[in-house]
Amino acid sequence: GQQVMQIPQYQHVQEGEDFTTYCNSSTTLSNIQWYKQRPGGHPVFLIQLVKSGEVKKQKRLTFQFGEAKKNSSLHITATQTTDVGTYFCAGHPSSNTGKLIFGQGTTLQVKP
Amino acid sequence: NAGVTQTPKFRVLKTGQSMTLLCAQDMNHEYMYWYRQDPGMGLRLIHYSVGEGTTAKGEVPDGYNVSRLKKQNFLLGLESAAPSQTSVYFCASSYRHRQPTDTQYFGPGTRLTVL
Repeated sequence: GQQVMQIPQYQHVQEGEDFTTYCNSSTTLSNIQWYKQRPGGHPVFLIQLVKSGEVKKQKRLTFQFGEAKKNSSLHITATQTTDVGTYFCAGHPSSNTGKLIFGQGTTLQVKP
Repeated sequence: NAGVTQTPKFRVLKTGQSMTLLCAQDMNHEYMYWYRQDPGMGLRLIHYSVGEGTTAKGEVPDGYNVSRLKKQNFLLGLESAAPSQTSVYFCASSYRHRQPTDTQYFGPGTRLTVL
């Protein structure tokens, strides 16, 4: 079946270091979304990318959608303790099944 | 505007007991979803609904039933709970499937333990 793989599963960084999580789909996606879940909380929508090769920025966060629309990345510059949480990518397959497929998530821990 | 709410927040069941989780949204969203979240597994779709009176199976539907009698409510039922159903359950809603502007709004979650 359709899968969205996300790596790494866990990442520990020192505050101020950069962080990147990668998302790869087995099939072409019509769009990709990113969510953040704080410890003990629920996923919250961050951003959506639709176009091939699209790059979007939110302050220290940079999101990319691959040219083939099968992969994506989230890069955080100069991490802060407030960045702690689990980051999920989720995609709508182009085959139009109507279901959002989530990656397993990357849990980020930041040491002050 | 409460967004998406879930009842209860916590529950402990014994094997074989039944229960119903309630999800309510006040955003007039057409679509609603039930996910379960387990360590290292991400969010897995159990069932979803594209409108009042309709439901469909997701990735892991076995052992669960759902109903959407009213647009704002989506119920998840466990007829005979098993320890493998110990998990955190999230409800979500969205305006539409497959639209560039569609985003999912999640409830706070229900932490279920089955002994």
